[in-house]
Amino acid sequence: DADVTQTPRNRITKTGKRIMLECSQTKGHDRMYWYRQDPGLGLRLIYYSFDVKDINKGEISDGYSVSRQAQAKFSLSLESAIPNQTALYFCATSDSDIPNTEAFFGQGTRLTVV
Amino acid sequence: AQSVTQPDIHITVSEGASLELRCNYSYGATPYLFWYVQSPGQGLQLLLKYFSGDTLVQGIKGFEAEFKRSQSSFNLRKPSVHWSDAAEYFCAVGGSGTYKYIFGTGTRLKVLA
Repeated sequence: DADVTQTPRNRITKTGKRIMLECSQTKGHDRMYWYRQDPGLGLRLIYYSFDVKDINKGEISDGYSVSRQAQAKFSLSLESAIPNQTALYFCATSDSDIPNTEAFFGQGTRLTVV
Repeated sequence: AQSVTQPDIHITVSEGASLELRCNYSYGATPYLFWYVQSPGQGLQLLLKYFSGDTLVQGIKGFEAEFKRSQSSFNLRKPSVHWSDAAEYFCAVGGSGTYKYIFGTGTRLKVLA
């Protein structure tokens, strides 16, 4: 099983619908991140969480919200989806106990808003 | 402001040829630098990372990168490219001060047989 699991892997939804993307990890990491990938724009940070009670906005948080239900779970919600939120979404984790560590990524969720 | 620039959006090389992917960063403190690879339909896999010490770092799949502080660069190289190296490559910077990872816009590599 993957260390960082995202569900669903693919989703098509209609404009105005609420949708939740879920991420769970078995790595025991305290830090979790949500990124969005668009062609030509790379990965942009939406939200990040350093522990269950510490949630921070990234550079493109408008239109999104998150919930850290447990150390291992971090979900991303689109309250009212719009077409320009069509993108590939990645969850990532890192370990604050290891200095200078890299981020570990899930397989991604491809979201299409029609 | 912290940023990462990958000037080449697309690069095409022939199989067996050498490869260099460019990465420039802007970071106020000592940067921690990473190269990731994304194969089609996959997540991001770490190729290598640099924090300190020897400025030439070796990674997986035969890749290496050289940190040049004077040029604010961290270019990725491979002496002989294989068809399976076709993918998108991302440079990223992180640091203990921010605990975040900032990515470049990516370079898509095409390998000709």
